[in-house]
Amino acid sequence: DGGITQSPKYLFRKEGQNVTLSCEQNLNHDAMYWYRQDPGQGLRLIYYSQIVNDFQKGDIAEGYSVSREKKESFPLTVTSAQKNPTAFYLCASSMRRGIRWNEQFFGPGTRLTVL
Amino acid sequence: AQRVTQPEKLLSVFKGAPVELKCNYSYSGSPELFWYVQYSRQRLQLLLRHISRESIKGFTADLNKGETSFHLKKPFAQEEDSAMYYCALLYSGAGSYQLTFGKGTKLSVIP
Repeated sequence: DGGITQSPKYLFRKEGQNVTLSCEQNLNHDAMYWYRQDPGQGLRLIYYSQIVNDFQKGDIAEGYSVSREKKESFPLTVTSAQKNPTAFYLCASSMRRGIRWNEQFFGPGTRLTVL
Repeated sequence: AQRVTQPEKLLSVFKGAPVELKCNYSYSGSPELFWYVQYSRQRLQLLLRHISRESIKGFTADLNKGETSFHLKKPFAQEEDSAMYYCALLYSGAGSYQLTFGKGTKLSVIP
């Protein structure tokens, strides 16, 4: 199914390497988000962007970086500075509703494993 | 600061029994609350939101501002309800809106 796509589904990386996770949406949504999902921790917000060329740190931004050069794309780079990068990463998007926002729609996720 | 608490990590019920997944929140502003569900091998999806006051797949949730709760209920559990459920609070801060999630409750419906 379309909407929001994330690639790859599984990703392996060696310690000390940066890696970029892809997130694309064709819903014409204004905002995009990156979450990290760990067992027993729920979802924690890494970064979000509500408009092209602008993004904000979430609760756990350290060791991550993002860009928003196009409305439909919001890639996440996991840098070597991230102390515990092995996790399931979820991308989401939502549409502006007046001064508020509609619910978020989620991608299928990328499971990153650091070897 | 805003917070969402789901006190049960795991909830097991028999098929046909009533289900109640608890969610409590703390937020100084006007809350907007959601329940998201993640079935096995599927992506996280919205189940319902309190402002809609609707019933989805037999589930309902009522916002109780006095008790700061948004519990999810279903009178008769089905096997296909087995999934991970997350309660989420939409809050505003610094001109933006963000979702904060609880840690989730895994519902297991026993045949």
